[in-house]
Amino acid sequence: DAMVIQNPRYQVTQFGKPVTLSCSQTLNHNVMYWYQQKSSQAPKLLFHYYDKDFNNEADTPDNFQSRRPNTSFCFLDIRSPGLGDAAMYLCATSRDIPLAETWRTQYFGPGTRLLVL
Amino acid sequence: AQSVTQLDSHVSVSEGTPVLLRCNYSSSYSPSLFWYVQHPNKGLQLLLKYTSAATLVKGINGFEAEFKKSETSFHLTKPSAHMSDAAEYFCVVSDASGTYKYIFGTGTRLKVLA
Repeated sequence: DAMVIQNPRYQVTQFGKPVTLSCSQTLNHNVMYWYQQKSSQAPKLLFHYYDKDFNNEADTPDNFQSRRPNTSFCFLDIRSPGLGDAAMYLCATSRDIPLAETWRTQYFGPGTRLLVL
Repeated sequence: AQSVTQLDSHVSVSEGTPVLLRCNYSSSYSPSLFWYVQHPNKGLQLLLKYTSAATLVKGINGFEAEFKKSETSFHLTKPSAHMSDAAEYFCVVSDASGTYKYIFGTGTRLKVLA
């Protein structure tokens, strides 16, 4: 089945040690998103890619970076994780083809839970 | 500007009784509206969506929602709750302005009592 895959499901890192989370998709969607979700809160958009174009949210800390080497893969890099960065990180995709069945529908991966020690 | 308000942060129902989760939205453009469900430590699963077709939308697991433009509402309902429905539910709005962004409500935690 076509899907959004996130690895690993759980990631433990040390304070200040760079960490990379990965997302891949077999849906061939052109838009990919990274969200941060803290306990009992709604997901918060960090940034998104429309094709190769990177779009950062104004309040996303510089500590968070992203790469999209091709259509299928997207990475979230946290350069110096702090204790406040412990959260669930969700990857999502969508396809910008008007009137298609999946138009404007986001599909989410299972998430990566990050723990910072 | 878009916004979404989920009117209840917590809802408790008994198993077998109806479920109503309320959502109001504000959008300057023709909106698309979605309901997602999230079980603990899982990603978000799409329950149903409204994208300007039929105003009564049927989703998975017996859920449905009705788009009411005059009331700017998109409430989620289910005739009979099941224990497995216990989860967090998010109402989400996206508009046609081309920003490819989605505005999330704050979520409603549904508890199902045996």
